[in-house]
Amino acid sequence: GAVVSQHPSWVICKSGTSVKIECRSLDFQATTMFWYRQFPKQSLMLMATSNEGSKATYEQGVEKDKFLINHASLTLSTLTVTSAHPEDSSFYICSARGRGSNQPQHFGDGTRLSIL
Amino acid sequence: AQSVTQLDSHVSVSEGTPVLLRCNYSSSYSPSLFWYVQHPNKGLQLLLKYTSAATLVKGINGFEAEFKKSETSFHLTKPSAHMSDAAEYFCVVSAPSGTYKYIFGTGTRLKVLA
Repeated sequence: GAVVSQHPSWVICKSGTSVKIECRSLDFQATTMFWYRQFPKQSLMLMATSNEGSKATYEQGVEKDKFLINHASLTLSTLTVTSAHPEDSSFYICSARGRGSNQPQHFGDGTRLSIL
Repeated sequence: AQSVTQLDSHVSVSEGTPVLLRCNYSSSYSPSLFWYVQHPNKGLQLLLKYTSAATLVKGINGFEAEFKKSETSFHLTKPSAHMSDAAEYFCVVSAPSGTYKYIFGTGTRLKVLA
């Protein structure tokens, strides 16, 4: 149980285009979803937290107009990187947690984004 | 404030020997603690969690961890390493209720030698 599916797993696109990444909880209702960015050989950096039906809360230094997050249902959150540039190239990982104070976060397999 | 310190950035063990990955935490509250494993180009997989129940927590793949409040430690152990255990391991403490954000350790890369 507690499977999180993230799609696509790898995307290459030209500078200036927008890229959408989907994160789905397959067998539980995700009241909260998180989006992380991971640089090579480093830990995960939290970008934003989203609760179903409300606006995402962004961490300090993360541009909300560049990284658009939508959490429209209890099983789906999307991250759109708008007007992507080479410096946005990274490994993006989502996670989701269900209701309850002791629920862990369950992670997707990540998306490798390469901007040319 | 909460924080997590993973004491070793790299650990090497021989296949079949015990594994010890060390983690110390700091928390103003009764913490929830987790260990996750990350294989290359993959997301994180939950190994085990401590949430104020039994102090010795058993996880998947033969891993276990012991919560020691007096030492503020939550070390991860496995009696016998397997080649497939080679990966990055993260110790995590969860923020108090409300945000449920994770505070990550810097990670320990486990290498298993044949």
